[in-house]
Amino acid sequence: DAGVTQSPTHLIKTRGQQVTLRCSPISGHKSVSWYQQVLGQGPQFIFQYYEKEERGRGNFPDRFSARQFPNYSSELNVNALLLGDSALYLCASSLFLAGPQETQYFGPGTRLLVL
Amino acid sequence: RKEVEQDPGPFNVPEGATVAFNCTYSNSASQSFFWYRQDCRKEPKLLMSVYSSGNEDGRFTAQLNRASQYISLLIRDSKLSDSATYLCVVTPSMDSNYQLIWGAGTKLIIKP
Repeated sequence: DAGVTQSPTHLIKTRGQQVTLRCSPISGHKSVSWYQQVLGQGPQFIFQYYEKEERGRGNFPDRFSARQFPNYSSELNVNALLLGDSALYLCASSLFLAGPQETQYFGPGTRLLVL
Repeated sequence: RKEVEQDPGPFNVPEGATVAFNCTYSNSASQSFFWYRQDCRKEPKLLMSVYSSGNEDGRFTAQLNRASQYISLLIRDSKLSDSATYLCVVTPSMDSNYQLIWGAGTKLIIKP
């Protein structure tokens, strides 16, 4: 069975540009969460979507937005890119709304470099 | 103070040795605890959940100490393949905005 897939795997952008990252959850999973992992740090929670609705948001500026589609895939958009947005962006899927008893499975990530 | 703190390491350990590292958390109402493993330039993978009674999975043992607000991971008979970064993860309580709070990780290097 396919795991969580993300595209693209790598991306280079310049400051001020916009980027869209994509995630396809494990088949049957209805929840997608997005995380940002800066080099040398643990992942930081950005968003969680469940059944196409935003169910959680981390401490990120409004430049970050996301959505979930009817097939449960998701996109993360970042506008007006800053150098500090350079990071590994991880998508995690879970069967239901992520919670203490719900395991999240991570995709390989998209590595974004902002120049 | 960070919500979840870990010694970044690296821990350089000979193959076959036992190694242990801790992780402290600041929110006494934290609900769930996990250890994830992350290989270089890869995604994190769940290693094990940590239960109040402690739990063991093969060579790995996890413990939770709520009074002192830390969790630990013990690896026995370490293998070269155990070399990775180990991330401690905590979930807050009383929070409908469910999210994982991650430590920065402890780097472990097993040497032959």
